[in-house]
Amino acid sequence: KAGVTQTPRYLIKTRGQQVTLSCSPISGHRSVSWYQQTPGQGLQFLFEYFSETQRNKGNFPGRFSGRQFSNSRSEMNVSTLELGDSALYLCASSWPPGEVDNEQFFGPGTRLTVL
Amino acid sequence: AQKITQTQPGMFVQEKEAVTLDCTYDTSDQSYGLFWYKQPSSGEMIFLIYQGSYDEQNATEGRYSLNFQKARKSANLVISASQLGDSAMYFCASRGGYQKVTFGTGTKLQVIP
Repeated sequence: KAGVTQTPRYLIKTRGQQVTLSCSPISGHRSVSWYQQTPGQGLQFLFEYFSETQRNKGNFPGRFSGRQFSNSRSEMNVSTLELGDSALYLCASSWPPGEVDNEQFFGPGTRLTVL
Repeated sequence: AQKITQTQPGMFVQEKEAVTLDCTYDTSDQSYGLFWYKQPSSGEMIFLIYQGSYDEQNATEGRYSLNFQKARKSANLVISASQLGDSAMYFCASRGGYQKVTFGTGTKLQVIP
């Protein structure tokens, strides 16, 4: 079974631009979560989608948004990029959702650099 | 709300020795899961081991074991017979029902030949 894939792997943008990151979960997984990882703040939860609905949201400004498609693939978008948005963005998939013991499988991440 | 505390920013261990990485958690959930992940320099998070709050036995997965002390709210990871490939960041995480996973700040483990 193929793992979680994320595209692109690396991205360089300038302040003020917007960016869209993509995540394809493991086949059969319908829950997708996004995390931001920075040296200063560590791993922070962005949001979780299940069946095209956002179920949980972290404490990030409205510039960060996401969506999930009917095939469970997910995208996250960051508008009006700031230097502080430079980070590794990790996507994780799981099934079934909401169970305390269901492991999340992570993708390789997208490393975003904002200049 | 859940909180994970990892008090060791960095650790060194001699190859073939055992090492314990500390993790304490705080949660109001009755049922929760505790996880350990490894993150090599490549960035990908690799699942290592899971412990459920109602599991009475400590979880083990190969060279990894989780020392679960519920009353003390601790879930320490023990790596036996360390290998050079174990050098990485290690994250403790928790998950309650229908809740996001909460991660600790991580411990950087370096295995010395």
